[in-house]
Amino acid sequence: GAVVSQHPSWVICKSGTSVKIECRSLDFQATTMFWYRQFPKQSLMLMATSNEGSKATYEQGVEKDKFLINHASLTLSTLTVTSAHPEDSSFYICSTFTGGPEAFFGQGTRLTVV
Amino acid sequence: SQQGEEDPQALSIQEGENATMNCSYKTSINNLQWYRQNSGRGLVHLILIRSNEREKHSGRLRVTLDTSKKSSSLLITASRAADTASYFCATVPTLDDKIIFGKGTRLHILP
Repeated sequence: GAVVSQHPSWVICKSGTSVKIECRSLDFQATTMFWYRQFPKQSLMLMATSNEGSKATYEQGVEKDKFLINHASLTLSTLTVTSAHPEDSSFYICSTFTGGPEAFFGQGTRLTVV
Repeated sequence: SQQGEEDPQALSIQEGENATMNCSYKTSINNLQWYRQNSGRGLVHLILIRSNEREKHSGRLRVTLDTSKKSSSLLITASRAADTASYFCATVPTLDDKIIFGKGTRLHILP
């Protein structure tokens, strides 16, 4: 069964609006969640690492104020794309570990900004 | 940041043939993993090989690791149409807890 539930699976929003993507860990506590961005036919680029109860760690070149990450509980991490632009259109995926070395991924969110 | 480079970037083979994908990485690692991604979906873990292992099998999958060359290969034997997907190698650098993905190989199995 699914380990990580990501919602929504797709969203269309207008330029200038904000969009929130949720990742929930199912039946376990995720102290850390990784957020990735993926352009068509490309690899996953790590955007940031969210840690429960503390500030997220952003990768170089990722705007903290644009991609707001919140990890307020052990089962929920959220990514909010603020003031969305068409170039923010992408596939966003979260992942986490459950204690072993392999990562478990959400289903991904296809964001289209029009 | 990206760690791995896969080749080929795209591969089309006939059903029943074997598919081989290669991955190179840059830093020392704890382990190397291969993931599969169907179009528009999340990634699914396939197989993990530790830095002290040289070869590992799982069903129709065979993974090799050469730490001296910083490279790995994934072999899928007797390919099926359902194997059509993108395959990514991923490494966990030593002294880090992040998974860094390669660029991926898009595999297309022709019926």
